[in-house]
Amino acid sequence: QSVLTQPPSASGTPGQTVTISCSGSRSNIGSNTVNWYQQLPGTAPRLLIYATNQRPSGVPDRFSASKSGTSASLAIAGLQSDDEADYYCAAWDDGLIGFWVFGGGTKLTVL
Amino acid sequence: QVQLQESGPGLVQPSETLSLTCTVSGDSLSGSTYNWGWIRQPPGKGLEWLGSMNYNGSPYYNPSLKSRVVVSVDTSKNQFSLDLKSVTAADTGVYFCARHHLGIAAYWGQGLLVTVSS
Repeated sequence: QSVLTQPPSASGTPGQTVTISCSGSRSNIGSNTVNWYQQLPGTAPRLLIYATNQRPSGVPDRFSASKSGTSASLAIAGLQSDDEADYYCAAWDDGLIGFWVFGGGTKLTVL
Repeated sequence: QVQLQESGPGLVQPSETLSLTCTVSGDSLSGSTYNWGWIRQPPGKGLEWLGSMNYNGSPYYNPSLKSRVVVSVDTSKNQFSLDLKSVTAADTGVYFCARHHLGIAAYWGQGLLVTVSS
């Protein structure tokens, strides 16, 4: 059971915009920024978005993200076949001690 | 360029201790302002953070695993390690090491599959 909640799957056709949601609580998303990771099969996760809406160098501006209250979302515009991957949201959780929490992941299928 | 590489046994006996090492290049553990952590992924499942070493050399752990996890650092070898005690089949998965700051991890190892089985 992951601390952050994501839909297990999402899909879209090439060129469409797909949105993936991430729900948390006051101690994680509600208090801290959200990060998103993309994981292609058999590879390590790749940082896609950090500090809620910032893209690391090399990440196309087709990827965007936002946060409201205790929920966050990732949007992928102009969907491409190589966007097919697993996407994970993550955040720092304040709790009793700080710790790193992830969503369960969303498998994106490009139809 | 920062690089991380996991190493250790790919097969561990149930009830034994899983011990992995992450070798870092391109950054110095003794002078870094980053945290160095371990994350795992059971087959077909999501990511789970296990524990990290902060820039002061102090470890901190996932509360759900705290009693079984130890993260330590060897600055002379520029390595940090994971010990996971009393493993069961549920501990089978790919183990990643990563450099992070409050969960923002731009650098990851390639991952190491560890199977717990007799």
